Amino acid sequence: QQPVQSPQAVILREGEDAVINCSSSKALYSVHWYRQKHGEAPVFLMILLKGGEQKGHEKISASFNEKKQQSSLYLTASQLSYSGTYFCGTVIGNEKLTFGTGTRLTIIP
Amino acid sequence: KAGVTQTPRYLIKTRGQQVTLSCSPISGHRSVSWYQQTPGQGLQFLFEYFSETQRNKGNFPGRFSGRQFSNSRSEMNVSTLELGDSALYLCASSSGAGRAYEQYFGPGTRLTVT
Repeated sequence: QQPVQSPQAVILREGEDAVINCSSSKALYSVHWYRQKHGEAPVFLMILLKGGEQKGHEKISASFNEKKQQSSLYLTASQLSYSGTYFCGTVIGNEKLTFGTGTRLTIIP
Repeated sequence: KAGVTQTPRYLIKTRGQQVTLSCSPISGHRSVSWYQQTPGQGLQFLFEYFSETQRNKGNFPGRFSGRQFSNSRSEMNVSTLELGDSALYLCASSSGAGRAYEQYFGPGTRLTVT
């Protein structure tokens, strides 16, 4: 069951905030967030486990709403280095990690 | 620690041939997963191996197979290549199997089928 990400693409000016959403129609055990820059491998950002836990990593944080089976990734005061494609991956039960189709984030000066 | 390595980095094959891709995980990692990445399709899961056992398999035809060795290195094989198999194949390793472990991706193997 592939999660649905929104928006598919977003363009921001440096310093602006962004929110990327990830939703599933089934109960999730965990949500994983990765960022992939053009021509590079995906890089791990964070994992959220069921329980509504919110995590943070510098100016990037995420939440997991267990009731809605949704996760949101928050990027505050975006920097040029934040540009890339963000993937959420979800795990249902003991199944495999399934990734969404990604959200392309472009930060312009 | 050295990262995940994949060989070869680039490969050009002809329809009908077969190909073997190799992945060496981070030292100490026992879990290896394989993904196919194509434009617009994101990361499609192929297999997950842990301690030489396949734990999960994605929705790919039987032409795609894999294995893991006792030193945790993994290979995937694609037989009877089709044009649609052209993609970036990514390998990822993690310290544990399953749902709560972060994955470290290798640089990928870019396969072109002509």
